[in-house]
Amino acid sequence: NAGVTQTPKFRILKIGQSMTLQCTQDMNHNYMYWYRQDPGMGLKLIYYSVGAGITDKGEVPNGYNVSRSTTEDFPLRLELAAPSQTSVYFCASSYYRGPPYNEQFFGPGTRLTVL
Amino acid sequence: AQSVTQLDSHVSVSEGTPVLLRCNYSSSYSPSLFWYVQHPNKGLQLLLKYTSAATLVKGINGFEAEFKKSETSFHLTKPSAHMSDAAEYFCVVSDENDKIIFGKGTRLHILP
Repeated sequence: NAGVTQTPKFRILKIGQSMTLQCTQDMNHNYMYWYRQDPGMGLKLIYYSVGAGITDKGEVPNGYNVSRSTTEDFPLRLELAAPSQTSVYFCASSYYRGPPYNEQFFGPGTRLTVL
Repeated sequence: AQSVTQLDSHVSVSEGTPVLLRCNYSSSYSPSLFWYVQHPNKGLQLLLKYTSAATLVKGINGFEAEFKKSETSFHLTKPSAHMSDAAEYFCVVSDENDKIIFGKGTRLHILP
């Protein structure tokens, strides 16, 4: 199993550009998540999905969009990139959202810089 | 409201000495608690988890944590630090609404 994979690993965007961060998991997990990590701030939840076709906002959704057309894929879309979106983005998945099988499996991250 | 506090942003220990990373949580419910480790430029990896079974939880790489409800703590320990333990560690709580809350992280430095 590859687990959770993310592409690209690095990206530099200009202000106002858009891009899609890709996330795929091969564990047949229903739950998928997008986080951003800023230095000294831990991880903040952007969006999550409880299954194909169902998504919901997390703590910091502004400036982002998601879709979940399949169980495996959960892309994150940035429209009109802004310097405040410079961060490291992590995708994660879990079998359940509640205990006891709610540990999350993380991808390697995408480091995004907006200039 | 649920919250998790990691009491130290940085901890330095010498190789071969014990490690203690402190985590306190606030929850009106019996929570799930996790410790994750993040090595530089890597994703997060689960070290261990507590889900209302045994209060002393053993994880990977010799780490363990004890759930103490009376102290609302879930401190991470290891008897003898190794250079490869240098990383950032996150304490995470899952509340009754299955909301996941991350602590801000503790960076562990290992001195030779």
